[in-house]
Formats: sequence, C-alpha cells, structure tokens
Amino acid sequence: SQKIEQNSEALNIQEGKTATLTCNYTNYSPAYLQWYRQDPGRGPVFLLLIRENEKEKRKERLKVTFDTTLKQSLFHITASQPADSATYLCALPSGGYQKVTFGTGTKLQVIP
Amino acid sequence: DAGITQSPRHKVTETGTPVTLRCHQTENHRYMYWYRQDPGHGLRLIHYSYGVKDTDKGEVSDGYSVSRSKTEDFLLTLESATSSQTSVYFCAITEEGRGLEDGYTFGSGTRLTVV
Repeated sequence: SQKIEQNSEALNIQEGKTATLTCNYTNYSPAYLQWYRQDPGRGPVFLLLIRENEKEKRKERLKVTFDTTLKQSLFHITASQPADSATYLCALPSGGYQKVTFGTGTKLQVIP
Repeated sequence: DAGITQSPRHKVTETGTPVTLRCHQTENHRYMYWYRQDPGHGLRLIHYSYGVKDTDKGEVSDGYSVSRSKTEDFLLTLESATSSQTSVYFCAITEEGRGLEDGYTFGSGTRLTVV
C-alpha cells in the first residue's frame, strides 16, 4: 500500500514569506494528488488537485508541484498571512470508488 | 459544512455500549466515507459506500459496521464501544467522476469519548 510522508514538525514562518510544505510517497506514482486544509475542530477542506501529467498547478496564492521522479509534491503559499495558519494534508488515491489515503499533515503557523 | 451534517457533534459513552453516528447529505453524491482521526495517525478510512446498500471495509474496520439504506444517510455503528475507539470521526462525500476535481466534502466531525 502507498505510504505518505508529511513533515510532522510544525512549520513556522513570518507573514509575507512563502510557505513550502512537502508530501512524499513511497510506492507507485499516483494518477493524482490532492491537498486539503484543516482548521482545529473542523473537517478538512479540499484545496486543489494535481494530476500526474501536470507539473504545476496554481490557485490564487497557492501553487502545487508534482514530481513523479522524486515521488514528491510541494505545496506553496505565497505572501502568507496569519489566516493561512492551519494543518495541510495531502491525499493520494488508494483504490476504486475514489478512495484516498491521507498523510498525517503538516501544521503551518504564520507569525505576524 | 454545506450539504453534509454529522450527529451528534459530541458524545461520551461507556465501554461496551453500542453507539451509532449519523452522516446526512443533501448533495445526492454517490460516495460516502467514514474516517477516524487520531494524533499521529491522521485520517484513516473505516468504511465507505458506493451506493445504497453498497458498502465495503476500509483499513480500520474492526469493531465497526455501517449501513446505507438511503442515498442521503450513512450510519456508522460501534457494536460494543471500547476505549481504543475514542476518536474524532469524520464523514466525507464526493461525486462520481467530477468528484476528483472537487475533492471530498467533510462534515464537521463527531468527537466520541469512550470511558
């Protein structure tokens, strides 16, 4: 089965800087990869999906890259704001019926 | 969360008692999932449904059962609650096909404590 690794240590960055979070996987290259945001006490919220044939995808201040050679996705938040503070999860497909497996997430803290 | 509600939001129960959690959606999505979230483990799939009366096990299904008698409702039952089932439970839905681009929509979660 696919093993997903996200940095379990919290990432602290200064407001206005670019935050970069990493999602590594160990086995087969997935057809797509998803990123979610989770705030304390809430369910995850879907942010975006990147497919294996897409090297990069952008949505407003978010940018995701997908490197199938390195088996890695990078999630960037540019011009970070304190409101971006949350835990960010990546998810990869894990079989039929659109099932996905989630990483444990990385907590981002943006310091004013 | 729009279109999906979980009940109850919080529950404390005693070891050995049965517990049922409810997930209700108004989106008419085909796929529904139950996850549990624990520190250090992240979200783990318990059971999922791909249609009315169509369900299957996830990676941590022992001690849990599910039922889906209507498109909109997906019930998770702990037949005899144990302390190891203390967790936050999330329900998620997604639409067939287009669902990949839109991702999962999660409920607000149920915090279950088994004492």
